[in-house]
Amino acid sequence: GIQVEQSPPDLILQEGANSTLRCNFSDSVNNLQWFHQNPWGQLINLFYIPSGTKQNGRLSATTVATERYSLLYISSSQTTDSGVYFCAVSRAAGNKLTFGGGTRVLVKP
Amino acid sequence: DSGVTQTPKHLITATGQRVTLRCSPRSGDLSVYWYQQSLDQGLQFLIQYYNGEERAKGNILERFSAQQFPDLHSELNLSSLELGDSALYFCASSGTGVTEAFFGQGTRLTVV
Repeated sequence: GIQVEQSPPDLILQEGANSTLRCNFSDSVNNLQWFHQNPWGQLINLFYIPSGTKQNGRLSATTVATERYSLLYISSSQTTDSGVYFCAVSRAAGNKLTFGGGTRVLVKP
Repeated sequence: DSGVTQTPKHLITATGQRVTLRCSPRSGDLSVYWYQQSLDQGLQFLIQYYNGEERAKGNILERFSAQQFPDLHSELNLSSLELGDSALYFCASSGTGVTEAFFGQGTRLTVV
């Protein structure tokens, strides 16, 4: 099956700093999503981005499908950005998502 | 709010017991997926239903089963529970022709 790798596994940031999270995947995909899992365990949809670039406030994402990677940018980080960020992909519409191992982010005040 | 509802939020039960987790998908979504998140295995796909029919199976144990009812809600049944079944169980749904999936808040199962 498709492999999804995220880096770095852990990230410690000072409040206000910027960061980039990376997601590499091993095959062509129809769907790529970024999620934020908050400290209460909820999985929050951040982006649905099988290709191209999107922005939502301080967060933005870029997927280069031909090179099989996606990047999530966090700018001016806040303590509420802490949690685990997951990238997940599927190969066809309606197929299950395969998750990466996540990047655990801690933003210190 | 994702629109996907899971109950209960928390469940504590003893080894050997059986539990049922419930999921109501977003209005109009025909696909329901179940995932398990444990500390050592990450987020793993268990099973998918589409409009009442099983569509795909992942790493689901034989002690686990699921179904999707005519009103599209789904139940995940876990039996002969073991300590290692303690995990966060998520339900997700997606619509026809739309691949973005939305997740419920999860059910945290603790087997003691």
